[in-house]
Amino acid sequence: EVVMTQSPLSLSVTLGQPASISCRSSQGLVYSDGNMYLIWLHQRPGQSPRRLIYRVFNRDSGVPDRFSGSGSGTDFTLRISRVEAEDVGVYYCMQGTHWPPTFGQGTKVEIK
Amino acid sequence: QVQLQESGPGLVEASETLSLTCTASGHSISSGYYWGWIRQPPGMGLEWIGSIYQNGVVQYHPSLRGRATISVDRSKDQLSLNLYSVTGADTAVYYCAGPGASYFDFWGQGILVTVSS
Repeated sequence: EVVMTQSPLSLSVTLGQPASISCRSSQGLVYSDGNMYLIWLHQRPGQSPRRLIYRVFNRDSGVPDRFSGSGSGTDFTLRISRVEAEDVGVYYCMQGTHWPPTFGQGTKVEIK
Repeated sequence: QVQLQESGPGLVEASETLSLTCTASGHSISSGYYWGWIRQPPGMGLEWIGSIYQNGVVQYHPSLRGRATISVDRSKDQLSLNLYSVTGADTAVYYCAGPGASYFDFWGQGILVTVSS
């Protein structure tokens, strides 16, 4: 199965400062239809995950534009341009290109 | 906006069957393109259990070795998960998610299932 490796595993960020999370896949994520099925999820403490980004860089409805996704091949990044208090929690990447779908270990974001 | 709700027993005896259902508001389960079940052991990360496509194709995580069944009850418009012969390793919060083609656009609130020995 495809291994998704996130870094860092924890991040302490000052409010208003940027943050960046990397996700590296053990295989390229281009599917036969030309799409890359890489999503980013955010899980606040005690809550269920919420999808933020799909197919690498598409923001879900209602997701603030301070979140952006990028990447290609095997290297992907989630960026938060200015961290706000509500952004704390754990962020996961997940690939759906190869069976079985696999998740990264998660990156815990806290406010410094 | 799609809202999903998992339901089922919160406690299951070891070696028994874990049975959960997922209902949706704002979208029909039967017309969803791709639904999945994902679980999260306490304090740990996310693990995909399996998924069902609109055409009825079902896929399961290979580690489950045939212990899982996922189906859609069209008469009740519900998604279900049965996990057989459970052990303590199956203790987790179980989520249903879907329904779009780009994976897990909406998630339920989750249900904690504890396996007792």
